[in-house]
Amino acid sequence: NAGVTQTPKFRVLKTGQSMTLLCAQDMNHEYMYWYRQDPGMGLRLIHYSVGEGTTAKGEVPDGYNVSRLKKQNFLLGLESAAPSQTSVYFCASSTPEGVNTEAFFGQGTRLTVV
Amino acid sequence: AQTVTQSQPEMSVQEAETVTLSCTYDTSENNYYLFWYKQPPSRQMILVIRQEAYKQQNATENRFSVNFQKAAKSFSLKISDSQLGDTAMYFCAFMKPPRYALNFGKGTSLLVTP
Repeated sequence: NAGVTQTPKFRVLKTGQSMTLLCAQDMNHEYMYWYRQDPGMGLRLIHYSVGEGTTAKGEVPDGYNVSRLKKQNFLLGLESAAPSQTSVYFCASSTPEGVNTEAFFGQGTRLTVV
Repeated sequence: AQTVTQSQPEMSVQEAETVTLSCTYDTSENNYYLFWYKQPPSRQMILVIRQEAYKQQNATENRFSVNFQKAAKSFSLKISDSQLGDTAMYFCAFMKPPRYALNFGKGTSLLVTP
């Protein structure tokens, strides 16, 4: 019963370094999302994907890139990390199913950029 | 763009009492979903309750119920018989086709006291 798994759970980066966050889901969901959570701001959508090979921008996409090469995986990349990208990152997946429509979340990744 | 407003940043309730968390949203759509998510200190996002906009009947899940007022664009959460384990951040969220991405409010921090 893995659901949605994010790796890593914690990471500290120096300004200018790059990294990739991995999200994996085993529910065969078409839709996947990356959010960031900052204090007092709720969760905000960075990028999303509606199927394998597709990606699209959310509300706060600057400084991030994503890829969805396999249906079960959604990668979030930071090419040159900045202190403003210090945040908690959540991945989620869903498949619209009428009354059962729901998003399932990973456990989050706390990223600190120093 | 849809906006979700939670006007109560913090609330407190005594164990066994009832508390209501407020949420309003803004949309011109007719087909959408509304959610309440709970985020305890563990950081995990947990679905509390879901409401489909086309349903007039208010959703209930054990001690949790909503008051969905579609015309007023209001979606409040009532927690009955509050328990210490209900202490968490609560997020109201909106979802609609075609992205089915969640649009979150800023959250309400609920503290349940003995």
